[in-house]
Amino acid sequence: EVQLVESGGGLVQPGRSLRLSCAASGFTFDDYAMHWVRQAPGKGLEWVSGISWNSGSIGYADSVKGRFTISRDNAKNSLYLQMNSLRAEDTALYYCAKDDTYNWNDGGFDYWGQGTLVTVSS
Amino acid sequence: QSALTQPASVSGSPGQSITISCTGTSSDVGGYNYVSWYQQHPGKAPKLMIYEVSNRPSGVSNRFSGSKSGNTASLTISGLQAEDEADYYCSSYTSSSTSVVFGGGTKLTVL
Repeated sequence: EVQLVESGGGLVQPGRSLRLSCAASGFTFDDYAMHWVRQAPGKGLEWVSGISWNSGSIGYADSVKGRFTISRDNAKNSLYLQMNSLRAEDTALYYCAKDDTYNWNDGGFDYWGQGTLVTVSS
Repeated sequence: QSALTQPASVSGSPGQSITISCTGTSSDVGGYNYVSWYQQHPGKAPKLMIYEVSNRPSGVSNRFSGSKSGNTASLTISGLQAEDEADYYCSSYTSSSTSVVFGGGTKLTVL
């Protein structure tokens, strides 16, 4: 059974940093691209970032480019999101999602975690 | 990057069919067969319903189908059931910003 478990969310002040983690199990992690998708309270889905199976290709939404960094450790079956210079508008539930292919830009997100909540507020 | 355009809401009676549209540009929906559709029930994680325009993942009912014409993709749900009531989102790769973009979401109400 595929499982994606996010962690690392919490309350953080504007301008500070936070690192999210996603522990994956139930599939061959290094065969697939992975993504972070967020959802602000009461709002729609927003893609944040994607990373290919071997970290060779990475993409970011314009809203986080230069502030967020996605990475993965295939030996640990883990995905990460380093979030710097956080803003109030980054407040959201952050989902880790598995791609159905090895590239981040051509597949669907076939499995999702339950999300970790990030609240940016002073 | 701009979100893909979806109607805010659609509704239908049990047994009927409905279609949700997702309009983009030649840089996203019209230029690539990388359109996906997701169903999200309140308080739950999204679920993949359609990928690559018209493919259904294993386990998804064949009442769900996807298509594309020009810059507009569509999700059709036939034989509406009460459990289909949810929010639906489309997504696509976009070359304009080398990223993935979602639609604003459509709330489906089963009357």
